[in-house]
Amino acid sequence: GDSVTQMEGPVTLSEEAFLTINCTYTATGYPSLFWYVQYPGEGLQLLLKATKADDKGSNKGFEATYRKETTSFHLEKGSVQVSDSAVYFCTLSGNTPLVFGKGTRLSVIA
Amino acid sequence: NAGVTQTPKFQVLKTGQSMTLQCAQDMNHEYMSWYRQDPGMGLRLIHYSVGAGITDQGEVPNGYNVSRSTTEDFPLRLLSAAPSQTSVYFCASSYGVGSPYEQYFGPGTRLTVT
Repeated sequence: GDSVTQMEGPVTLSEEAFLTINCTYTATGYPSLFWYVQYPGEGLQLLLKATKADDKGSNKGFEATYRKETTSFHLEKGSVQVSDSAVYFCTLSGNTPLVFGKGTRLSVIA
Repeated sequence: NAGVTQTPKFQVLKTGQSMTLQCAQDMNHEYMSWYRQDPGMGLRLIHYSVGAGITDQGEVPNGYNVSRSTTEDFPLRLLSAAPSQTSVYFCASSYGVGSPYEQYFGPGTRLTVT
């Protein structure tokens, strides 16, 4: 079945550092890919999405490109802020309900 | 729009008690679902519904019941609570199932079973 694997956390970075969170997937067909973010004590919010190969999703300085050849959707940000501290979930939507990765906790220190 | 709302926000139950977690959405979404979130496990699908009167099981349905009598509401029932059901529960909704639909999540219910 469909699955998502994302890098284990936690990840701790200093403010203004570069962020990469790796995500790879296994799916049949042509899934859509998402990154959701969960801030402390809150529900999940959509951060960005890509619905077909080579699409780049972007929001709030975060970017991810749908790479079909490497089955990847890595999340990147050039300069993280303390306010980016949260848990990030790579997620796949194919022919079935959403499939989530296990989440990566990011802590950004000033 | 209020989006997806969940009540209660926190709940403590004793083993064997029953309760209903409420979920409502005002976006006229056909698809609704319930997830539980446990440390190191990500989110796991409990039950979902593709429309009023239609429900189906997800990955971890045991110990939970659902029904969908209206488009707006999708309650989750715990019939006889067990400590293994201690978790954070999220309700979500979307226009449809699968690609390319994103889901909208409620704020969650934190449940502790003693």
